[in-house]
Amino acid sequence: AQSVTQLDSQVPVFEEAPVELRCNYSSSVSVYLFWYVQYPNQGLQLLLKYLSGSTLVKGINGFEAEFNKSQTSFHLRKPSVHISDTAEYFCAVSVGNFNKFYFGSGTKLNVKP
Amino acid sequence: ETGVTQSPTHLIKTRGQQVTLRCSSQSGHNTVSWYQQALGQGPQFIFQYYREEENGRGNFPPRFSGLQFPNYSSELNVNALELDDSALYLCASSPEDSGNTIYFGEGSWLTVV
Repeated sequence: AQSVTQLDSQVPVFEEAPVELRCNYSSSVSVYLFWYVQYPNQGLQLLLKYLSGSTLVKGINGFEAEFNKSQTSFHLRKPSVHISDTAEYFCAVSVGNFNKFYFGSGTKLNVKP
Repeated sequence: ETGVTQSPTHLIKTRGQQVTLRCSSQSGHNTVSWYQQALGQGPQFIFQYYREEENGRGNFPPRFSGLQFPNYSSELNVNALELDDSALYLCASSPEDSGNTIYFGEGSWLTVV
């Protein structure tokens, strides 16, 4: 079975500071990894994904994530956050060609001026 | 803009009633899946349809059912509503060659009273 753990439910950070949102997963098979962002009262928007190849993945809005197979982690980073990055971020995994996604419980990023 | 449209955006139902939620996907999106996102949690997989047949189901009771139509629209039906069914219901669709990427609608907020 697959599971996703997002270690921080809330992350407060000041504008222009760097941020890391942590995600760990467990799976007995190879997985595909994703980060989604959800703004208030909206659906989920894909930030980035890892399917194969380079373990450092770049996404939209200046975010990037690094796949670490030995640590079963896929942490999301941004070197300098903006007020507009305030949202909830979800890490997710899927297995094989079957588009069933397992989501973490989310991390609320609160960027303060 | 994901091209996935859901209706209604908000609705209130009474315990024991039935509800139908609708989703319209882009042309060519043969796979549609539905997720339930309770307040403060990540989305949970309900089921998936591929070419009008259910081909995967999460841990939800049979009173959650669905349909997918040839025109790339789909429905989620929930019978005998319970208070715990109150949640955001997300529809997600993907084309054949999606690279495991799914596109979410903005969801339907269901409140059961």
